[in-house]
Amino acid sequence: GDSVTQMEGPVTLSEEAFLTINCTYTATGYPSLFWYVQYPGEGLQLLLKATKADDKGSNKGFEATYRKETTSFHLEKGSVQVSDSAVYFCALIPKGGNQFYFGTGTSLTVIP
Amino acid sequence: NAGVTQTPKFQVLKTGQSMTLQCAQDMNHNSMYWYRQDPGMGLRLIYYSASEGTTDKGEVPNGYNVSRLNKREFSLRLESAAPSQTSVYFCASSGTVSTDTQYFGPGTRLTVL
Repeated sequence: GDSVTQMEGPVTLSEEAFLTINCTYTATGYPSLFWYVQYPGEGLQLLLKATKADDKGSNKGFEATYRKETTSFHLEKGSVQVSDSAVYFCALIPKGGNQFYFGTGTSLTVIP
Repeated sequence: NAGVTQTPKFQVLKTGQSMTLQCAQDMNHNSMYWYRQDPGMGLRLIYYSASEGTTDKGEVPNGYNVSRLNKREFSLRLESAAPSQTSVYFCASSGTVSTDTQYFGPGTRLTVL
């Protein structure tokens, strides 16, 4: 079945460090892929998305590229800030489907 | 533009009590969802409604019922609450096309004693 696997956390980085959070997926066909972010005490917010192979989603300095050959959608940021501390979720929805499938989330803490 | 709203924000129940979580969206979305979030488990889908008048079970439907009251509103009911239902509950909505973004409410933190 369809599923998302993302790297276990928690992740702790110093400010201005490079961030990578790995995400791989299992799905038939060509799903749409998403990264959501959850700040403490809040609901999830869309960070970025990609709807077809080789697309790159980007927002607020974060990027992720839809790699069909490796079934991956890794999240990257070149220089993290304290304000990026949050939980990050990778998700997919199958093409033509109704259900979203979420990873378990990766907690990121950025220290000054 | 309120987006997705949920009530209540917090609730404490005793085992066996019932309650309904309310959700409304003002984005004219066709699809609505209920998730629960537990530590280390990510988000798990309880029920969803692909369109007004339809509901379907998700990954963890046992102990819950839902009602799609109209296009805007989608409620989640716990008939006889159990401590295992202590969780944070999120409602979400999205358009019909699978490339559409899912928008989330702020969540309801439920504790069952």
